[in-house]
Amino acid sequence: EVQLVESGGGLVQPGGSLRLSCAASGFTFSDHYMDWVRQAPGKGLEWVGRTRNKANSYTTEYAASVKGRFTISRDDSQNSLYLQMNGLKTEDTAVYYCARVLQQGRIDYWGQGTLVTVSS
Amino acid sequence: DIQMTQSPSSLSASVGDRVTITCRASQGISNYLAWFQQKPGKAPKSLIYAASSLQTGVPSKFSGSGSGTDFTLTISSLQPEDFATYYCQQYNSYPLTFGGGTKVEIK
Repeated sequence: EVQLVESGGGLVQPGGSLRLSCAASGFTFSDHYMDWVRQAPGKGLEWVGRTRNKANSYTTEYAASVKGRFTISRDDSQNSLYLQMNGLKTEDTAVYYCARVLQQGRIDYWGQGTLVTVSS
Repeated sequence: DIQMTQSPSSLSASVGDRVTITCRASQGISNYLAWFQQKPGKAPKSLIYAASSLQTGVPSKFSGSGSGTDFTLTISSLQPEDFATYYCQQYNSYPLTFGGGTKVEIK
């Protein structure tokens, strides 16, 4: 069974940093691209970014709203995905989901999400 | 960036109704279109990919169609468990983008 479990959310002040983790199980993590998607309270879904797999040099893509502030990384030996968030703004407050990506580029499984609150 | 516009943003329907949600892309995306269902307080769930292919385990009352810029999600006979918010997403090009969502409520 595919499982994705996010952790690391919490309350952080504007300008601060936070690192989210996503623990994957039930599939060959190293084969897959992985996404982060977020959802501000009461709002819709916003794609944050993607990491490709080793075969594609772990290259990354980001939404313009987070580029230069957020970094996606992965540790295939630990079946883990990370989102390093720096320079946090109040508008980054959201539930952050990790998601598995299939070869066609589509998401098929989502984690349960972790809440990040940016507030003074 | 490709803008995804869903309509309506909300609708009220009764159990047993046939419901159609539309999603329009600001430029052609071939069939790189997915639909997700989200219930309050829960993670989204994949329903449809490649515009019309059903995700494994999703009941056949859900169907998708379209190509290019215009897409639809149809629920053939609405059941209580289908009341949720539905999102389309294009995965043709970066940045990936979602529609604003359609909330399906009980009439």
